[in-house]
Amino acid sequence: EAGVTQSPRYAVLQEGQAVSFWCDPISGHDTLYWYQQPRDQGPQLLVYFRDEAVIDNSQLPSDRFSAVRPKGTNSTLKIQSAKQGDTATYLCASSLGGDQDTQYFGPGTRLLVL
Amino acid sequence: QQKVQQSPESLIVPEGAMTSLNCTFSDSASQYFAWYRQHSGKAPKALMSIFSNGEKEEGRFTIHLNKASLHFSLHIRDSQPSDSALYLCASRTGGYKVVFGSGTRLLVSP
Repeated sequence: EAGVTQSPRYAVLQEGQAVSFWCDPISGHDTLYWYQQPRDQGPQLLVYFRDEAVIDNSQLPSDRFSAVRPKGTNSTLKIQSAKQGDTATYLCASSLGGDQDTQYFGPGTRLLVL
Repeated sequence: QQKVQQSPESLIVPEGAMTSLNCTFSDSASQYFAWYRQHSGKAPKALMSIFSNGEKEEGRFTIHLNKASLHFSLHIRDSQPSDSALYLCASRTGGYKVVFGSGTRLLVSP
């Protein structure tokens, strides 16, 4: 079974530049999560979807971050105008939903904003 | 809003020792309690989970949950250098939102 895939694996930006991260969840997983993980900290939820619907985006900085999952499969997280404080690893995870809470994480995208 | 806190922040144990990691949560209605392990530069991976009070053992790992105390823990028997990693506890209340702790960094010295 293929795992969660993410691209790119690394990104280096100047402040003010835009970047998009892409995630392909495990087939059949209807719930998809995006997390931000600063160095040496736990993952912090940004947004999560059930199928194509956003369930919770309360922690997403809406002025610069956006996330979509138009067909309920792949998802894209975009930072419109990156800041140095956005430097972190961005993790995508998926789960079956329902009572199956185990999340399966992708390898992440390591972002450095100079 | 659910808060999940871990202790200690970091831990060094000798090979072969018992390791105990702790996690407290704030919402007594929480329904899912799990531990994930993250090796350096890798993605977090689920270790084990529990839904009701008590203990659950899988190999060298035991998870213990006490909902009344808002506390759950992970115990690693016969700790190995390969167990060195960041350990994350996680908990869920309603819906599908899982909240992670900030992690305990474990180093098992040979």
